[in-house]
Amino acid sequence: DTGVSQDPRHKITKRGQNVTFRCDPISEHNRLYWYRQTLGQGPEFLTYFQNEAQLEKSRLLSDRFSAERPKGSFSTLEIQRTEQGDSAMYLCASSLDRSRDRGYGYTFGSGTRLTVV
Amino acid sequence: AQSVTQLDSHVSVSEGTPVLLRCNYSSSYSPSLFWYVQHPNKGLQLLLKYTSAATLVKGINGFEAEFKKSETSFHLTKPSAHMSDAAEYFCVVSDPPTTSGTYKYIFGTGTRLKVLA
Repeated sequence: DTGVSQDPRHKITKRGQNVTFRCDPISEHNRLYWYRQTLGQGPEFLTYFQNEAQLEKSRLLSDRFSAERPKGSFSTLEIQRTEQGDSAMYLCASSLDRSRDRGYGYTFGSGTRLTVV
Repeated sequence: AQSVTQLDSHVSVSEGTPVLLRCNYSSSYSPSLFWYVQHPNKGLQLLLKYTSAATLVKGINGFEAEFKKSETSFHLTKPSAHMSDAAEYFCVVSDPPTTSGTYKYIFGTGTRLKVLA
């Protein structure tokens, strides 16, 4: 296990369709994060899991967004009824535990680029 | 609230000349600060981190940054630019721990570094 994997790398969808992205974190990492990066901006926090529990959600995460991490391993991020404003890079990151979060930094995946047409 | 300001959206340097990417932060507590690099179609890679130890921090690929509390700055430098350094660079400050115990990252808007042959 060499890093954080995200699938797919690219997704083009029509407005109104549902899409789902997958993230496989580093296996021993118990924390998993989703960030969104729009063109010309830095990534913004969406949500965070510790093991299977979703402990925090950003106000950016509207009701059309849902994230799960059913067994505390991989995570999925679903967007329902996509809108053009959802077009962005969706980044997943993982980290080990509370005491190390601050100092070690997250490990990010390569992201899923979503284009809504 | 914590924030970071990257003072330049684009920086161009000639190969072999020094690199300076500027970052100012705002934090109500003792911050952790990071620099990440993002190459096209790649994930974010941690370059270096400051976590209240030595104020001069050395990172990978010859980069370093100096934490200056009096100036609230954390500028990234490299003595000699290489063509492979061309990428987007993000300055990041760590939010104070939330009630769930995680540290969210606040990203700057990024600086695109161009290296001229």
